[in-house]
Amino acid sequence: DTAVSQTPKYLVTQMGNDKSIKCEQNLGHDTMYWYKQDSKKFLKIMFSYNNKELIINETVPNRFSPKSPDKAHLNLHINSLELGDSAVYFCASSSTHGGIGNTIYFGEGSWLTVV
Amino acid sequence: GQQLNQSPQSMFIQEGEDVSMNCTSSSIFNTWLWYKQDPGEGPVLLIALYKAGELTSNGRLTAQFGITRKDSFLNISASIPSDVGIYFCAGQPSGNTGKLIFGQGTTLQVKP
Repeated sequence: DTAVSQTPKYLVTQMGNDKSIKCEQNLGHDTMYWYKQDSKKFLKIMFSYNNKELIINETVPNRFSPKSPDKAHLNLHINSLELGDSAVYFCASSSTHGGIGNTIYFGEGSWLTVV
Repeated sequence: GQQLNQSPQSMFIQEGEDVSMNCTSSSIFNTWLWYKQDPGEGPVLLIALYKAGELTSNGRLTAQFGITRKDSFLNISASIPSDVGIYFCAGQPSGNTGKLIFGQGTTLQVKP
């Protein structure tokens, strides 16, 4: 069973469209994240949620709106997609938010291509 | 913002050789993590380090949390072809932010 699962794995869409990526974790963790990996493989945090509450928002355009219906799910909705949004988006989770011993586990990624 | 400098950027080695890569930072971190990413997959945790000076092994992998809390290294002994991938260091800054800062990655290729 996949601990952090996200769908879809691959998504090709046109500029201007709105799309969503869903994420679920079955680890019983309180905190979930979205990370973005660019074409140079650089990983950077976008958002974190702790018990459905937004904790980190790293100057991401407001076209990106995360939603956490419960602590096991964190979805990412993107409005008015742009070419520069093409990247791999990783969902992740950890048992706590910060603190000593915090370990973050990643999903398999969602490859978004905007054409 | 906080940054991690990871080196080398890439390595091409012969099977059986040992590998070493490291990360440094100008600021203190209270956790260091090492991940491996295979093509088309997400980063998979290899080793987690939580205390300054900690030395931890996982099979052929050994990693250490630097005494100054500003650096960490990962060693792989007797490399094998399946070690191929991108290795990332990641640090959690002090201050309980919950945010991981990633290094730029080290791409490892192993020649059989």
